[in-house]
Amino acid sequence: ETGVTQSPTHLIKTRGQQVTLRCSSQSGHNTVSWYQQALGQGPQFIFQYYREEENGRGNFPPRFSGLQFPNYSSELNVNALELDDSALYLCASSRNQETQYFGPGTRLLVL
Amino acid sequence: GENVEQHPSTLSVQEGDSAVIKCTYSDSASNYFPWYKQELGKRPQLIIDIRSNVGEKKDQRIAVTLNKTAKHFSLHITETQPEDSAVYFCAASRGGTGGGNKLTFGTGTQLKVEL
Repeated sequence: ETGVTQSPTHLIKTRGQQVTLRCSSQSGHNTVSWYQQALGQGPQFIFQYYREEENGRGNFPPRFSGLQFPNYSSELNVNALELDDSALYLCASSRNQETQYFGPGTRLLVL
Repeated sequence: GENVEQHPSTLSVQEGDSAVIKCTYSDSASNYFPWYKQELGKRPQLIIDIRSNVGEKKDQRIAVTLNKTAKHFSLHITETQPEDSAVYFCAASRGGTGGGNKLTFGTGTQLKVEL
């Protein structure tokens, strides 16, 4: 098991609400990447944070935003939730943008 | 942007047989290719990776080969065991020394190892 943790494990929200997901990176890692994994699909890159700054973004709208803290933990915020946002949200941590190790994910259900 | 195709989508083998999963990528600048194993309800787990300056890498029963000219790479599992049953994802990245940048994933292969 990696040292990457995520909270919460599961979450149920209704359409239009906002959600914040959290990720603690592995000790010694300074980079966090966020991915969305729909059922039966491969993970899709949302964005990456390196030393507290956004370092690349995938094809996701601005209502997906993030933050990285001085201890390199990270948050993913999603505003105005839509039904299609229901998915497993994975964070992955790495050291200096090297090999990525995934956390257990947060399963989000939007009703 | 990068596009990664993965085949087959499902693969069933008898215990002890070999399994091969193939991926192709489109971006010639990609230089890092990891493979992840994901069991039901669990996190993707890195099982092996290869960089573009290497043609083959092996770790016990698992090996990966890379053909940069053809832009394809493959995962080989020998002497399969029931615990190898899972979904396997290939990925590609332009990352620097280790590929920590954006990973583009394939669509996954459901491997089932039958007794």
